[in-house]
Amino acid sequence: ETGVTQTPRHLVMGMTNKKSLKCEQHLGHNAMYWYKQSAKKPLELMFVYNFKEQTENNSVPSRFSPECPNSSHLFLHLHTLQPEDSALYLCASSQVAQQTDTQYFGPGTRLTVL
Amino acid sequence: GENVEQHPSTLSVQEGDSAVIKCTYSDSASNYFPWYKQELGKGPQLIIDIRSNVGEKKDQRIAVTLNKTAKHFSLHITETQPEDSAVYFCAATIDTGGFKTIFGAGTRLFVKA
Repeated sequence: ETGVTQTPRHLVMGMTNKKSLKCEQHLGHNAMYWYKQSAKKPLELMFVYNFKEQTENNSVPSRFSPECPNSSHLFLHLHTLQPEDSALYLCASSQVAQQTDTQYFGPGTRLTVL
Repeated sequence: GENVEQHPSTLSVQEGDSAVIKCTYSDSASNYFPWYKQELGKGPQLIIDIRSNVGEKKDQRIAVTLNKTAKHFSLHITETQPEDSAVYFCAATIDTGGFKTIFGAGTRLFVKA
């Protein structure tokens, strides 16, 4: 595997629920990323953290709240989601947050919002 | 805004044949072009990349070509094998101080034995 783990692998939640996605990397990297992969849209970068500091937020709605307590862990807190937020959420890490650094992806969390 | 078009969306080839996937990008400031392979139940995995100062790069059965003037780049897989079956994504990245990566919609490749 790639050294990036994500939990849970599947999540079903109602629109009023609050849940969190977790990502952990065992590669000694300093940058972590959240991506959204929908069935009918290209992969979308959501957030970038470099040395625990958020460096990119690609106009993501506030119902998605990231948290990076250290370089090895990344969370995505979810609240009052919409059905159109159903997608595969992928976490990735790289040595540092620069465009030519290889990103290593986790297997993703399949989220369904009812 | 920035855009990456990828074609075809589905590609079926016979084992041993070659497969070609093409992408075009809109932002001339793009200067790094990675290609990812995604197998069922897994996240994307980088298979090859090319920078804007290079026209072609090869790694065993995989090659990528870049035409900056025309703003298009292609992935070539030779001697395809059933294990090459997967979804392939192209991407174009721009260094904006941070960086922005725009992905293509993906190509589902089937290699028939």
